[in-house]
Amino acid sequence: GAVVSQHPSRVICKSGTSVKIECRSLDFQATTMFWYRQFPKQSLMLMATSNEGSKATYEQGVEKDKFLINHASLTLSTLTVTSAHPEDSSFYICSARGDRASGGETQYFGPGTRLLVL
Amino acid sequence: GQQVMQIPQYQHVQEGEDFTTYCNSSTTLSNIQWYKQRPGGHPVFLIQLVKSGEVKKQKRLTFQFGEAKKNSSLHITATQTTDVGTYFCAGEGTNAGKSTFGDGTTLTVKP
Repeated sequence: GAVVSQHPSRVICKSGTSVKIECRSLDFQATTMFWYRQFPKQSLMLMATSNEGSKATYEQGVEKDKFLINHASLTLSTLTVTSAHPEDSSFYICSARGDRASGGETQYFGPGTRLLVL
Repeated sequence: GQQVMQIPQYQHVQEGEDFTTYCNSSTTLSNIQWYKQRPGGHPVFLIQLVKSGEVKKQKRLTFQFGEAKKNSSLHITATQTTDVGTYFCAGEGTNAGKSTFGDGTTLTVKP
């Protein structure tokens, strides 16, 4: 299947700092990217949906000013956790989907980023 | 909003026994996907079901989509230790273009 990379895979930061996570589709053009958060032993919770060249759509309860999402190209989306706090510590996973009109229905997940805020 | 419920939450089986996880949506779905996540790993896409009543097989795995397109199941025949992990369903609503994940079923297999 298609490959989605995520960087960094693990990050530890001090409270109050900002952290940027990159999500790249390596072998296809991702018209839509999704950002999820997963707490231990829990399901994936969708944070936001981003379409290339437009503003992200955030799920209810997700602060758009805290979780900045940029989808500047068809192969790259970034999530910036601004002024991170310990409660933001989690596993952040992106997924990418190609052009649905061309049959690109499947979501391909990145390997995830473990964020620990001290 | 759309809710997707998955049962059971945990299932412990002896190697060789069968396993089934069930997924129910509060609304009619456009499609449903199934993923497997190994401990410490990320979700890996298994299959997508689109048609009402659809049944698909992948070796020992059988996936079904209900006639009303509101429920689905994943059945594993003769489990192996390599089947351990958490199985998630994710249902896409008819308008949303995004999927809602169930809580997952964590399968452990005793050799």
